[in-house]
Amino acid sequence: DVKVTQSSRYLVKRTGEKVFLECVQDMDHENMFWYRQDPGLGLRLIYFSYDVKMKEKGDIPEGYSVSREKKERFSLILESASTNQTSMYLCASIGGGLGNEQFFGPGTRLTVL
Amino acid sequence: AQKVTQAQTEISVVEKEDVTLDCVYETRDTTYYLFWYKQPPSGELVFLIRRNSFDEQNEISGRYSWNFQKSTSSFNFTITASQVVDSAVYFCALSESNNNDMRFGAGTRLTVKP
Repeated sequence: DVKVTQSSRYLVKRTGEKVFLECVQDMDHENMFWYRQDPGLGLRLIYFSYDVKMKEKGDIPEGYSVSREKKERFSLILESASTNQTSMYLCASIGGGLGNEQFFGPGTRLTVL
Repeated sequence: AQKVTQAQTEISVVEKEDVTLDCVYETRDTTYYLFWYKQPPSGELVFLIRRNSFDEQNEISGRYSWNFQKSTSSFNFTITASQVVDSAVYFCALSESNNNDMRFGAGTRLTVKP
C-alpha cells in the first residue's frame, strides 16, 4: 500500500515564525502536492512538484514556498506565518501516467496564534 | 482552468434513506478524469472512484453508484440504503489530460442519523 506521511498531525505556531511541513511518500511517485483545506472552500492547491527540484504554483501560492530535494520528500514552508494561514494542510502523491488517483497523507492541522 | 462545483454544502438523512451527492464540472479539455473521495471524521481522504471522459458507463459498487453525464457535465454519486458509517465529507475532483494536478469541489458534508 502507498503510504504518505506528514510530520505532524497538529502544530501551533506564532505569527511571524517560519514553519516547515514535511511530507514523505514511500512509493517512488513522481508527483507530489500540497493543499490546504478550509470549511466551505474544499481543497485548494498551493504548490505541486512533478520531479525532484521542480515545482509549480497552484491556485494559492502566496505566502508559501516548497522544496523537493529528494523524490520521496516534499516540504511546504511558511516563511512568516500569519493567522490567515491557520488551516488543515494535506499532502498527496501520484505516480504513473495521467489520470491516476492521488494518495493523501493524514493532514496537519496548523494553528497560527 | 478546470472547475468543480458541489452545490450541496450539507445533507442530513436518516439511516436507510437513499442520498445523491451532486457534482458539476467545467473543463475545456476533451480528455479528463473525474474522481470522488471520502473524508471520514479521522481526516484522511479515501479514494472511491475514477472515471475518464470517454467512459460514460455508470458504475455500481455495493451501495454506491455513480452517474456520469457529459451532456450536463455532471458526475453524481448515490448512496443507497445509507448507514451511519457513511457520514463524512465527500469531495468530487477533476484532473485534465495535460497534467496531474487535481481540482476539488468544496465538498458535501453528509450526516446519516440512526
